[in-house]
Amino acid sequence: EAGVAQSPRYKIIEKRQSVAFWCNPISGHATLYWYQQILGQGPKLLIQFQNNGVVDDSQLPKDRFSAERLKGVDSTLKIQPAKLEDSAVYLCASSLRTGVNEKLFFGSGTQLSVL
Amino acid sequence: AQSVTQLDSQVPVFEEAPVELRCNYSSSVSVYLFWYVQYPNQGLQLLLKYLSGSTLVKGINGFEAEFNKSQTSFHLRKPSVHISDTAEYFCAVKTSYDKVIFGPGTSLSVIP
Repeated sequence: EAGVAQSPRYKIIEKRQSVAFWCNPISGHATLYWYQQILGQGPKLLIQFQNNGVVDDSQLPKDRFSAERLKGVDSTLKIQPAKLEDSAVYLCASSLRTGVNEKLFFGSGTQLSVL
Repeated sequence: AQSVTQLDSQVPVFEEAPVELRCNYSSSVSVYLFWYVQYPNQGLQLLLKYLSGSTLVKGINGFEAEFNKSQTSFHLRKPSVHISDTAEYFCAVKTSYDKVIFGPGTSLSVIP
């Protein structure tokens, strides 16, 4: 079974530039999550999709971050403009459905360095 | 709102020795508890979870955790570690109405 695919694996940009990350969840998984993991911290949920609808985006800095999952399959996360404090690993995860018992499957992440 | 504390940021342990990784949480409602592991250059994987029932939960790779409601803890244990257990371990908590909150992580280093 193919896992959660993310690209690129690494990205280095200068502050005020824009960047986009891509995620392809496991086939058939309705729920998709984007997490931000800053060095030395645990992952923090940025946004959660159920199919192509947003379930939770309460911790997404909407002035600079945006995400979409137009067809309910793959998703993109964009940062525009980037700040130094956005340097982190951006993790995508998916689960079959939403629920406390649902297991999350994580991708390997995109490591972003903002200079 | 709930929160998760992992007091030990780094835990070095010799191979074949036992290990305990500590996790404490705070929440005013019932919680569900998880341990995830992140091996170098890999995504997070679920080790084990506590939803209800027996407070002793067994997971993959010989790990187990015990839910202690009075102490609001969910410590992870393994009686004998292997080199391959070297990884970052994250405790996480979820309520019925909220998102999954991860702790800051504990880096386990197994020394040959």
